[in-house]
This record gives sequence, structure tokens and C-alpha cells, in this order.
Amino acid sequence: NAGVTQTPKFQVLKTGQSMTLQCAQDMNHNSMYWYRQDPGMGLRLIYYSASEGTTDKGEVPNGYNVSRLNKREFSLRLESAAPSQTSVYFCASKGQGSPPLHFGNGTRLTVT
Amino acid sequence: GDSVTQMEGPVTLSEEAFLTINCTYTATGYPSLFWYVQYPGEGLQLLLKATKADDKGSNKGFEATYRKETTSFHLEKGSVQVSDSAVYFCALSINDYKLSFGAGTTVTVRA
Repeated sequence: NAGVTQTPKFQVLKTGQSMTLQCAQDMNHNSMYWYRQDPGMGLRLIYYSASEGTTDKGEVPNGYNVSRLNKREFSLRLESAAPSQTSVYFCASKGQGSPPLHFGNGTRLTVT
Repeated sequence: GDSVTQMEGPVTLSEEAFLTINCTYTATGYPSLFWYVQYPGEGLQLLLKATKADDKGSNKGFEATYRKETTSFHLEKGSVQVSDSAVYFCALSINDYKLSFGAGTTVTVRA
């Protein structure tokens, strides 16, 4: 019963490096989300995909890009990492209708 | 815009104590309200929800009532256990797609 799977779990990058965070869900959910979690700020939405083939900006999209590869997979890319992007990143998915969201276990990213 | 404000932590309690975490919201429409819990090293899990005024959500001994008149959704538990130590997030949703989260409240329960 995998649910939402994120890889990697931990990553350290140098400023200017790029990387892609992967997310996959096996619940046949239509909607997928990327959040970042920072101390004292809760979760902030970076991007979301309401359905396969669509993506939309959330509250804090600058410095990120996303790809909804298929119904299962939604990746988050940092083209040129900055220390301000040090955070814990969560992927989530949702079936049709109202929330709840189902979350992965997170990726802890440090940019030095 | 739509937003949630929850009480700041951290909150430290002894086992069997009463827990309240305050949450108030601002929304233009009629939101659904949620409490999520995050245990150490894990993602968020839905704890309970309420979709309309006066609804009470409950789960694992936790309760919260959707109060439209005070725009609140406070989380309560009558007797906490060490296993309730976690970060608790209040959240609201106006439409089917987006949730807005509060900042989170860290709760530590001591034996």
C-alpha cells in the first residue's frame, strides 16, 4: 500500500546546481501538489496539477518548474538552486471531489 | 485571501492533560476545515474534517467543531498520551483543488 512515494528522501546541493524531485502516486488520483514546509510558516503551495495535462502556480512558484508526466507522476525541478530553497518538500495527491490530501514522507533539501 | 491562523507553539503537556489548539480562519466563501497531524519524519495525515457550520469532526479522541459565528475550528483532546506528540496543522479549502495551511503547532506530551 505505497500511496504517495517521493524520492530522494535527503539531498544536499551547492548553490547553482539543478535537481529534480520525483513523486508518484498509486491511488489513481487526478490532482497532485508540491508544498514546501519551513519553520513557523506551515506548508506553502508551490505548484499543483488539477488533472493530467494541466499545471498551475501556487503561492511560491518562483525558482521552480513542474512536469505532470502522466497521471501517476508529478516532478518538481530546481533549475539553479539557492540557499532560500533549503526546505522540506512534500508531494500530495487527491482524488476527485473535496480534499483530503494524501502526503508523501517528504524530501529534505539543503542548499549550501 | 483565504487563510488560517493557529496558535503558536510549542505546547508541552503531561500525559492525561487536556489539549486545546486554537484555529481561526478567514474565507470569502464557505470553506471545508481540516486538522492534519505530522508525526516525526513523516508526511501529514488527515486527523479530522468538517464541511459545514456546526459539523463536528472527531478521530482518535480528538474533536473540533466548525463554528461559523466565530470563524473557528479549535482542536481538543480530553486526555493526551505520549503518542500524541506531533505537529498539528489547521487547514481550509474553498474549492476542490487548494488547501491553505496554518503554521503548525508542535505538541510534546511528557510521561
